[in-house]
Order: sequence, then structure tokens, then C-alpha cells
Amino acid sequence: AQTVTQSQPEMSVQEAETVTLSCTYDTSENNYYLFWYKQPPSRQMILVIRQEAYKQQNATENRFSVNFQKAAKSFSLKISDSQLGDTAMYFCAFMMGSGNTPLVFGKGTRLSVIA
Amino acid sequence: GAGVSQSPSNKVTEKGKDVELRCDPISGHTALYWYRQSLGQGLEFLIYFQGNSAPDKSGLPSDRFSAERTGGSVSTLTIQRTQQEDSAVYLCASSTGQGWTNYGYTFGSGTRLTVV
Repeated sequence: AQTVTQSQPEMSVQEAETVTLSCTYDTSENNYYLFWYKQPPSRQMILVIRQEAYKQQNATENRFSVNFQKAAKSFSLKISDSQLGDTAMYFCAFMMGSGNTPLVFGKGTRLSVIA
Repeated sequence: GAGVSQSPSNKVTEKGKDVELRCDPISGHTALYWYRQSLGQGLEFLIYFQGNSAPDKSGLPSDRFSAERTGGSVSTLTIQRTQQEDSAVYLCASSTGQGWTNYGYTFGSGTRLTVV
């Protein structure tokens, strides 16, 4: 079974600074997808970024980028120029490569951006 | 609809009562998922529907939990004889079911269930 571990229950960062959230996972699969979701107080999960395991290039979406280390089974999220609106829970998630299978989530990291 | 709609937004029920939670997915999305999010925990998979296939019920925690999806659209999650440990946010998500082109799910805002 796949597992996802987020070792930082809470983090804080000053506005405009950079923060990195950690995620490791365990799988015997070679083909899979990794995701970061943001959950603000509204409870709605919002997709931040995703990475296909077969791609060596790290995904980027504006201020969000990942450091995907396949051999180490690590998938960290870097948020640059942090904004107050980035305050939320962040969840790392794994999906098998066949797709249409349940996402496996980590327990989340609560990020607070401080003015 | 424009997004995944869940109702009610909040539900308080007495221990032992049955509850029904509703999810209305994005029109045309063939896959539908239910997750449970307990306080301080990640999202726990409950059940998954894909088109007309038999649902994947492997995440349901007990036989008090059941779900159905009528006409490949709206889904109802039913919890019978609720217990206090059932208190959580229940999230529904849908996706296109297009395999690797699936850019993750679209989630609803969840139903917060409180069992007193």
C-alpha cells in the first residue's frame, strides 16, 4: 500500500519570504502522479501543482514549484514570495499511474503567513 | 454545475440517528470519490464510483457506512446509527476519469458532521 508522510504539522513564514514544505512517500510503483493541494478555511481543496513521476523536470506554477527526487521518494513544495492568502493547510497526495484510483493523502502541514 | 456541490454544509445529529450526505458532481464527470477528514488528520478514502462499474468500497470503515450513486450523477453517503467518532468533515470529489490526463480531482466544500 502507498503511504504519504508530511513531517511538518505546522510552519510559518514571513510575508514575501520563501518556504518549503516536505513530503515523502512510499511505493513500489514506477509510474505515478504526485499532487499538492491547498485547503483554506473554506474547506475546499484546491489543486496547487502536480508532477508526473516519469518527468524529470520539476513542475512549476507561478510562485509554486516542487523538488521531485524520485530515488529518494521525496516531493517538496516551495512557495516563493509568500502572500497572506497562502495561509492554509497543504496536503501532499499520491495517485497510481493507472489513474482513476483514489488519491492517498498525507496528514497535512498548516502554513501560516505572517505580515 | 460549475463545481461540486455538497449538502448540507453542516449537520448536527444525535448519537444513534442516521444521516444522509449529498454530493452533486460536475456534469459529465464519470468518477466520484468520498473522503473523510477528521480533526488534525489527512483525508481518509471512503468509496469511489467510476461510471457504471461496481464501486470501490474498500475504504468504508464499517457496515454502518454506505453510499450510492444514482444515474451516474448525484451520490448519497449514508451513515447509520451514528457514533461520536463519525464526527468529521466529509468531502466529495469528482473527476473526468480520463486516466493520466486527469489533473486531480475537483472537490466540494464538504459537510461538517457533528454527532452529539
